[in-house]
Parts: sequence; C-alpha cells; structure tokens
Amino acid sequence: DAGVTQSPTHLIKTRGQQVTLRCSPKSGHDTVSWYQQALGQGPQFIFQYYEEEERQRGNFPDRFSGHQFPNYSSELNVNALLLGDSALYLCASSQGDTQYFGPGTRLTVL
Amino acid sequence: SQQGEEDPQALSIQEGENATMNCSYKTSINNLQWYRQNSGRGLVHLILIRSNEREKHSGRLRVTLDTSKKSSSLLITASRAADTASYFCATPPDTGRRALTFGSGTRLQVQP
Repeated sequence: DAGVTQSPTHLIKTRGQQVTLRCSPKSGHDTVSWYQQALGQGPQFIFQYYEEEERQRGNFPDRFSGHQFPNYSSELNVNALLLGDSALYLCASSQGDTQYFGPGTRLTVL
Repeated sequence: SQQGEEDPQALSIQEGENATMNCSYKTSINNLQWYRQNSGRGLVHLILIRSNEREKHSGRLRVTLDTSKKSSSLLITASRAADTASYFCATPPDTGRRALTFGSGTRLQVQP
C-alpha cells in the first residue's frame, strides 16, 4: 500500500511566477491537508480538503488556492510567488484523527 | 501563534541514554500527537494520545498527557543514533476539525 506521494520533489521558481504542487493520498483516505514549513520551524496549516471542497483554511492569503479531485488527490497552487514562499510544502492525508504526511516538495523562490 | 511549544529546542545525548521532550499547549484538545522529522523530509507519525488517557507506550516511546497542566512529554528510552531527528507535538482543536497546530520542535542529536 503506497503512502502519501507528492510531486515534484524540488522546484525552483522566480518571483511573480505561479506554481502547482500535487499530492496523492494514502489509499482509503478522503481528506487532504496542506502545510507550509519554513526552515527551522514547525509546519503551518494552509488548508484542508474533503469531498472536493475546502473545509478549513489557515492564515494564508488568497494567492494560495487548492483543489481536490474525485479520486481524492489534491493540488496546491500559489500565484505571484514571493521570496518568503520558499519552504517545504507538506501534504497529509487522513481518514480519522491521525494524519499521514508525504515527503514534501521543496520550493525555492529566487 | 503556535498552539504547542516543545521544550527544549535542542537536545544532545549519548547513545543508550534516555531523551525527554516536553510540549505545552494553550487550548482544550481531544488528542495530542507526536511526529518525527528527519532532515527536512516528511513527518512520521509516532503516537497519538487522547485527552482521556494519561500515558501511552509504543516500543521505546512513552508519552504522558496532563490536561490540567496542558502539557505532554515524550520519552525515548535507550536512544540510538537513528533517533536523531526533530520531534514535534501537534494538536487538533476540540471542535472536531482535523487541522493540526504544530510547535517549533525539539532537535534531538544522539551521539554514537
């Protein structure tokens, strides 16, 4: 049984560009959450998707948007990239209380 | 602001010693979870303890929860070099939503 997968592993973009990150949840999991982790910090919650709708959102601007597909996979989109968006982006899937994390996508904004 | 805060921020011990990390949180919770992260990679779930539990064990891990003090501790016994990692506590709110709030973590270094 594959765990949570994310693509790509690494990404380099320049300021002002747009980026799309992808996540496939663990088999049987219907809920996907996205987190941003800056260097040396704990993950910060961005938003959570359930049944293709955004169920909860953290304190992130509208430049951060997402989508969940009928197969429960999800995308995170970030528009008008800023240098401060450089971080590790983690996806987590869940069916109950425990969240299972993917390996993350390392985004560098130059 | 962070819900959970781990203490200490960094810990260095010798192989075979025990490591204890503490977590404090601010609001009511229905469970508290501990995660491990190796070198900026994904988080690995270690253990979940519910608000009506006081202690839980998993292999070399022992977690305690004191809801009156809003604190938890993670004990790793007989540590190994492979335990070197950052450890985070995470709490969902007791409203039933599943978003986790993390602290800044404890960076554990186990010297061989």
